[in-house]
Amino acid sequence: DAKTTQPPSMDCAEGRAANLPCNHSTISGNEYVYWYRQIHSQGPQYIIHGLKNNETNEMASLIITEDRKSSTLILPHATLRDTAVYYCIVRVAGYSTLTFGKGTMLLVSP
Amino acid sequence: EAGVAQSPRYKIIEKRQSVAFWCNPISGHATLYWYQQILGQGPKLLIQFQNNGVVDDSQLPKDRFSAERLKGVDSTLKIQPAKLEDSAVYLCASSLGTSGSSYNEQFFGPGTRLTVL
Repeated sequence: DAKTTQPPSMDCAEGRAANLPCNHSTISGNEYVYWYRQIHSQGPQYIIHGLKNNETNEMASLIITEDRKSSTLILPHATLRDTAVYYCIVRVAGYSTLTFGKGTMLLVSP
Repeated sequence: EAGVAQSPRYKIIEKRQSVAFWCNPISGHATLYWYQQILGQGPKLLIQFQNNGVVDDSQLPKDRFSAERLKGVDSTLKIQPAKLEDSAVYLCASSLGTSGSSYNEQFFGPGTRLTVL
């Protein structure tokens, strides 16, 4: 699976949009971009995934650049409960293993 | 819908002792995973089961770790004997299937925090 690069930490004010970047410059054509998050003392939680089109669900939006070498996870109105470690993972289609990096620690403050 | 259940939530043991963790996946999920998460790092896959067969155990330290999923439902992970470096959170996850779908979301349990003294 391709490697990903994420900033170790980010801050966001409550109510503002949180934009979490991920670089995956070696991604191959059959690899999807997945985002999971892990709130303190809990297991990781799936957020969203995409191949090349932008995706949106009730939790977040995923913007993938046209060359697919980077992506951004957007939490449109961050709340204190969004404070967590966010993991960007690229994974071959049809392959179930997840390889986690260190992720980005997002701190949402009042 | 009930989530992935794990027990115990916390365990403290002395080095060289043995310990076992239990996981009950979401009903109907064929694939079960055990991960190890050391403080400050992301989870690392130890073993993956498809029903009661092992799909991937390449990162399982087989000299001390063992896992089974006898009836294709719940699973146990055992460490014998434990070392100091085994202190970590052990996460269990499950998913509907394995290959063939990009929508194979993994659902994680709350984990078991192991401290080896």
